Amino acid sequence: GAVVSQHPSRVICKSGTSVKIECRSLDFQATTMFWYRQFPKQSLMLMATSNEGSKATYEQGVEKDKFLINHASLTLSTLTVTSAHPEDSSFYICSARDLAIAYEQYFGPGTRLTVT
Amino acid sequence: EDQVTQSPEALRLQEGESSSLNCSYTVSGLRGLFWYRQDPGKGPEFLFTLYSAGEEKEKERLKATLTKKESFLHITAPKPEDSATYLCAVRSAYSGAGSYQLTFGKGTKLSVIP
Repeated sequence: GAVVSQHPSRVICKSGTSVKIECRSLDFQATTMFWYRQFPKQSLMLMATSNEGSKATYEQGVEKDKFLINHASLTLSTLTVTSAHPEDSSFYICSARDLAIAYEQYFGPGTRLTVT
Repeated sequence: EDQVTQSPEALRLQEGESSSLNCSYTVSGLRGLFWYRQDPGKGPEFLFTLYSAGEEKEKERLKATLTKKESFLHITAPKPEDSATYLCAVRSAYSGAGSYQLTFGKGTKLSVIP
């Protein structure tokens, strides 16, 4: 149980284009999903928290107009990186909180974004 | 501000050589300490949640313990497949919006040599 998927697993895009990453909870309902980014040999840095049906809450320093988050259902959240630049290249990971288990987060497999 | 410090940064063990990883934390009202395992290029895999000092949890060769200031992940007779980065995270009573946010340490990279 508690499986989270992400799609795509890897994406390469050109500078200036937009990329959408999907995060799905496959076997549970997730009212809250989180988006992280991770640089090589660094820990996970929280970007934003999204609650189903409401606007995402962004961490300080994260541009909400650049990283668009939509959490339209209890099983799907999307992160769109708009006008991507090489410095946006990173490993993006989502996690979801299971309604039935109060505080535990389950992570997706991650998406490797490379902007050329 | 919540802080999580993991040590050592890297640990090399011979297969069968038991050891412990440390996670020291500073939080305002602990509402959970979490251990995850992360393989290269993958998302973290949930291992344990500990809520109060004195609590212990076990899973196969892993045992997690918690005190008021730190947590240990004990690895007994490790095998090469235990090689991974182990992450520690905390949730405090004053975590951000929604109060479900986790603060992560930088992890300990464990290598188990056959």
